[in-house]
Amino acid sequence: QKEVEQNSGPLSVPEGAIASLNCTYSDRVSQSFFWYRQYSGKSPELIMSIYSNGDKEDGRFTAQLNKASQYVSLLIRDSQPSDSATYLCAGGGLTGGGNKLTFGTGTQLKVEL
Amino acid sequence: DTGVSQDPRHKITKRGQNVTFRCDPISEHNRLYWYRQTLGQGPEFLTYFQNEAQLEKSRLLSDRFSAERPKGSFSTLEIQRTEQGDSAMYLCASSPGQYNEQFFGPGTRLTVL
Repeated sequence: QKEVEQNSGPLSVPEGAIASLNCTYSDRVSQSFFWYRQYSGKSPELIMSIYSNGDKEDGRFTAQLNKASQYVSLLIRDSQPSDSATYLCAGGGLTGGGNKLTFGTGTQLKVEL
Repeated sequence: DTGVSQDPRHKITKRGQNVTFRCDPISEHNRLYWYRQTLGQGPEFLTYFQNEAQLEKSRLLSDRFSAERPKGSFSTLEIQRTEQGDSAMYLCASSPGQYNEQFFGPGTRLTVL
């Protein structure tokens, strides 16, 4: 089992809709989680971090963490064509130490006009 | 506030040659990370520094790879005797140390012919 898993997509949503991106993690992954946005040919850009159970909102973005289910999600409200990118889920650190991020393979989001 | 910078942005080399990449982290960030990303995959951790100390190295980091951060500021990643399998985007990230939020530079794209 991979440590962080994401559906590769593509996930297509119409402009203005809510995009829902999901991520599951193994119990070896730390309890801090991050969502990065990556445009083609560019480097990852941090958009959300979440450390405790529940929801965290920042503008059009909401991250949700459920530790019991080992599940992290990202909701993007009022999706715009500029949101079209690959979204990477990452877990911070591994059990036993270290501060590295473990990434999923990313979900490609396409927002259609 | 300048972000993480990397140099060069692109490097094309022939198999067997040595290459060196540089990363300048965000000022006052004491943690610096190197990752490698290939097409369709999330970034994979290579190594991590806290100040000048290299605290963790991935098994991906063969003996052909070496990284330094001599004064706790910029870092270099050297690959000796490059192989075609080394072709990837090499990403540097820095962190202020709290909560593992890591901010990536633009990356160095390496192509080994």
